[in-house]
Amino acid sequence: DIQMTQSPSSLSASVGDRVTITCRASRGIRNDLGWYQQKPGKAPKRLIYAASSLQSGVPSRFSGSGSGTEFTLTISSLQPEDFATYYCLQHNTYPLGFGPGTKVDIK
Amino acid sequence: QLQLQESGPGLVKPSETLSLTCTVSGGSISSSNYYWAWIRQPPGKGLEWIGNIYYSGTTYYNPSLKSRVTISVDTSKNQFSLKLSSVTAADTAVYYCATYPYSGRNGWVALDIWGQGTMVTVSS
Repeated sequence: DIQMTQSPSSLSASVGDRVTITCRASRGIRNDLGWYQQKPGKAPKRLIYAASSLQSGVPSRFSGSGSGTEFTLTISSLQPEDFATYYCLQHNTYPLGFGPGTKVDIK
Repeated sequence: QLQLQESGPGLVKPSETLSLTCTVSGGSISSSNYYWAWIRQPPGKGLEWIGNIYYSGTTYYNPSLKSRVTISVDTSKNQFSLKLSSVTAADTAVYYCATYPYSGRNGWVALDIWGQGTMVTVSS
């Protein structure tokens, strides 16, 4: 199985901050990666697919990059509605696997 | 626009079988452009992929659950279902269904549309 790790596991940030979350795969997954935002009591919402393609309707302050084993999600200017938990998902190889999540809260 | 809705009992007794259904609206479950997925999330924890099914019946399961999981599709009802046998308290979770779509340019892409989720508690 491909193991997914995320760093940091949590972070505190202020509105307007630039935030970067990293996701690493235990072996290469090309660009078969998505990023999700999840708020309490809600289903995950896809932000990024194919590692760097922005989901329709998602603000442009969100961006994704990377290929192979290392990927990043960047929020260029954190907004109040961005406080949430973020997950990566690899779908290159079965079993599909999520990262453990990064919780972004208010500093 | 596709929408998914999970349904099923919210309480299951230990050792029994958990059964959930996901109803697809706004599109056909027989579309060749989707796999259909089940994912779960224990309270306060992360997401775990359970398995996928194609309209033809082809399935992929998480090896950690494979011996207890069956996913099936009913094209006449535009639904797919999850059965998880011999449940324990560790199976208490919110269960989600989701689409695993094909995007011509990018091939299969990350899980896209999710249902709202349904909480299942395993308790006597």
